[in-house]
Amino acid sequence: SQKIEQNSEALNIQEGKTATLTCNYTNYSPAYLQWYRQDPGRGPVFLLLIRENEKEKRKERLKVTFDTTLKQSLFHITASQPADSATYLCALGTNNAGNMLTFGGGTRLMVKP
Amino acid sequence: GAVVSQHPSRVICKSGTSVKIECRSLDFQATTMFWYRQFPKQSLMLMATSNEGSKATYEQGVEKDKFLINHASLTLSTLTVTSAHPEDSSFYICSAGQPHGSNQPQHFGDGTRLSIL
Repeated sequence: SQKIEQNSEALNIQEGKTATLTCNYTNYSPAYLQWYRQDPGRGPVFLLLIRENEKEKRKERLKVTFDTTLKQSLFHITASQPADSATYLCALGTNNAGNMLTFGGGTRLMVKP
Repeated sequence: GAVVSQHPSRVICKSGTSVKIECRSLDFQATTMFWYRQFPKQSLMLMATSNEGSKATYEQGVEKDKFLINHASLTLSTLTVTSAHPEDSSFYICSAGQPHGSNQPQHFGDGTRLSIL
């Protein structure tokens, strides 16, 4: 069955360091992958989208990679700040499912000052 | 940017009550909206896809008679939890994707915390 795995354990890092979150998937051939940020008690907020033919995408301090051979995406936050503390969700989509997404379990990031 | 408004943000009610949750896209037309359920420290579980002017598509294991979805206009979808019981207590979130093809990001409401006593 299709499975999307994110590290369920919280990631604790020091302010200023680079945070790296992983998203692995099996039995899935996504056309694109999205990353979202979710704060407690709030809905997810879209951050970045990367398509299957793209290796890397950047937006300000954020960088996403997509390796369809390894079936993995990495999400990096450089120069992390305490305000980056949140849960980060990866989501996969296919071209024949409209805008429907399948979400991973999310990884909670804690950036300590 | 695209805004989705969800109302109410929190509901506390007695067992047996039916609860309606509204999801509105404020600045774009959404032919498709999605309803999710999220348990504490878990991911979003897709319940159903709401299609404007037609019946909703429910995911396996989701009772359509229990969770009634109506998408009467391009900017409004509603989820009604009928005869709610304590096991229905959860965080319900809606989202809408802008039209014009797939691989568009979804825009989420801020969720509804439902607590059934």
